[in-house]
Amino acid sequence: NAGVTQTPKFQVLKTGQSMTLQCAQDMNHNSMYWYRQDPGMGLRLIYYSASEGTTDKGEVPNGYNVSRLNKREFSLRLESAAPSQTSVYFCASISGLRGYTFGSGTRLTVV
Amino acid sequence: GDSVTQMEGPVTLSEEAFLTINCTYTATGYPSLFWYVQYPGEGLQLLLKATKADDKGSNKGFEATYRKETTSFHLEKGSVQVSDSAVYFCALTALLRNEKLTFGTGTRLTIIP
Repeated sequence: NAGVTQTPKFQVLKTGQSMTLQCAQDMNHNSMYWYRQDPGMGLRLIYYSASEGTTDKGEVPNGYNVSRLNKREFSLRLESAAPSQTSVYFCASISGLRGYTFGSGTRLTVV
Repeated sequence: GDSVTQMEGPVTLSEEAFLTINCTYTATGYPSLFWYVQYPGEGLQLLLKATKADDKGSNKGFEATYRKETTSFHLEKGSVQVSDSAVYFCALTALLRNEKLTFGTGTRLTIIP
């Protein structure tokens, strides 16, 4: 099925550990996004990539890095995890006004 | 900057009740407006959209009209079902500048039989 695939679905990290969240889309979309979802705050944009080879900061980029490996894949890296990064992370890609397609999310807990 | 304000929840209704979830926005230019729905344990799905003033988006019995004069995009449904229980997000994007979506905080809706 066409869509956005995120891995892993769940992850528990200790403070200071690093990890990479993977995202891949098979819809040939140019633009891809990483959001975090926190209670009472909706979704906030972390980083986005308007095309292969380009990345830009969103609203809350501190503590994160991204890589647009190719047109399909857009990864999010936490170099030194902090409890404030406990959240649900969503990857999305867009096709004009047909709107975003979201992945099913990664629930990350940092202890 | 762009912002979206939506009705705080949670909202609890009985089956077959009328639903309204309010959404207002602030944006420069001419944004496109969206409602997304998130069912438990899932990602967000596009519910409906409107791209210009007075457009009405509709899907699965839900409707919302783009009101430029009141900067609003309220979500309505005439008769809700238990299966409509979810979190609803209002969002906008200003395509002339970029495609980034700005979301409201979400409204949790619970329908009781």
